[in-house]
Amino acid sequence: EADIYQTPRYLVIGTGKKITLECSQTMGHDKMYWYQQDPGMELHLIHYSYGVNSTEKGDLSSESTVSRIRTEHFPLTLESARPSHTSQYLCASSNSRGDEKLFFGSGTQLSVL
Amino acid sequence: GNSVTQMEGPVTLSEEAFLTINCTYTATGYPSLFWYVQYPGEGLQLLLKATKADDKGSNKGFEATYRKETTSFHLEKGSVQVSDSAVYFCALTRTGYSTLTFGKGTMLLVSP
Repeated sequence: EADIYQTPRYLVIGTGKKITLECSQTMGHDKMYWYQQDPGMELHLIHYSYGVNSTEKGDLSSESTVSRIRTEHFPLTLESARPSHTSQYLCASSNSRGDEKLFFGSGTQLSVL
Repeated sequence: GNSVTQMEGPVTLSEEAFLTINCTYTATGYPSLFWYVQYPGEGLQLLLKATKADDKGSNKGFEATYRKETTSFHLEKGSVQVSDSAVYFCALTRTGYSTLTFGKGTMLLVSP
């Protein structure tokens, strides 16, 4: 059912590298989100967007940045990765009809050495 | 502010046992309530939801009732299967807002 895709699925990189996590959805949803999931499974909203050229920071402060140049694409960038960024990153989207159902991608597991 | 509290896991059950995962919430106004499920190696998917007091959400044999008087939304299933092993998240959002507040998740392990 879910047409939301995240790449890469797994990423292992060294400290100081710049990385971009990709997220695309084919459902035409206006709203998109990034969640960080810690090893204890807890989810933290780090960024969201209500449409093109709209981005907001979430509940958890993050050193990452996002952009929303196209409706279907919502990439997340870390300019200089650190071991503290090691986590699972989940992208999600929802429509604007108000039914509040989120569709999630399968996630990117990031490990920074 | 909004918050969701779930029982800590893991919850370990034998196949065909009865399941309850407790969820209570704190919210201003009248939130909508959700249960999401995360199977191993996957993202979350919506399991069921309820949008007003006394509503019962149900799906795949799971059900939960929105109890305003006890601010609860407990998840139940009469007979669990091995394939139900997953992490379950209770969540809420205020009507008209899209950002969800999630509980910490409860892992369910079902053995044959």
